[in-house]
Amino acid sequence: NAGVTQTPKFQVLKTGQSMTLQCAQDMNHNSMYWYRQDPGMGLRLIYYSASEGTTDKGEVPNGYNVSRLNKREFSLRLESAAPSQTSVYFCASRRGTTGANEKLFFGSGTQLSVL
Amino acid sequence: GQQLNQSPQSMFIQEGEDVSMNCTSSSIFNTWLWYKQDPGEGPVLLIALYKAGELTSNGRLTAQFGITRKDSFLNISASIPSDVGIYFCAGHLNYGGSQGNLIFGKGTKLSVKP
Repeated sequence: NAGVTQTPKFQVLKTGQSMTLQCAQDMNHNSMYWYRQDPGMGLRLIYYSASEGTTDKGEVPNGYNVSRLNKREFSLRLESAAPSQTSVYFCASRRGTTGANEKLFFGSGTQLSVL
Repeated sequence: GQQLNQSPQSMFIQEGEDVSMNCTSSSIFNTWLWYKQDPGEGPVLLIALYKAGELTSNGRLTAQFGITRKDSFLNISASIPSDVGIYFCAGHLNYGGSQGNLIFGKGTKLSVKP
């Protein structure tokens, strides 16, 4: 049981390049999330998808787009990378769409550097 | 936006010591969660709290949901080297509400005393 799988684990981009971070979960979860983690800032929500076919902005969506390709997969795209997007990115999922089951399961992260 | 104030920001432990950290907010939360992150990994859920006053243990870890619903603490008893890492509190503002409203504290980094 792999849980939440993110690829790639590491990536270096030049300013202006584009790339897509991939995330897949095998737990049949309904909701999926993308967070970024910066030193001293904790985890900040970029986008989320409460169910297949829906996506919504989180706290820091600017510069990103997402696609909920199917129930398993939720990708994060940087169309034109900027140094401010240097961060560690985490994908997460949870079973519910509503209710008190708030347990998030995280992937192991993608460390992205934009030069 | 809403903020969780987590303290301390960092602390050093010696094996066998008890550790305490807490989170406070000006807003009322309906759920409090505590996560631990090991280096190079994503956060892993330690304890979830759903009711004001609730006290829950998970091995050497004990967490409480404050009566005012604006705070929570996590205690680790008799710490061991593998307890090092970053601990995050997280809270959910709306019971059964928007999925985007899980808010994280900035973390408490636990390190071993040199």
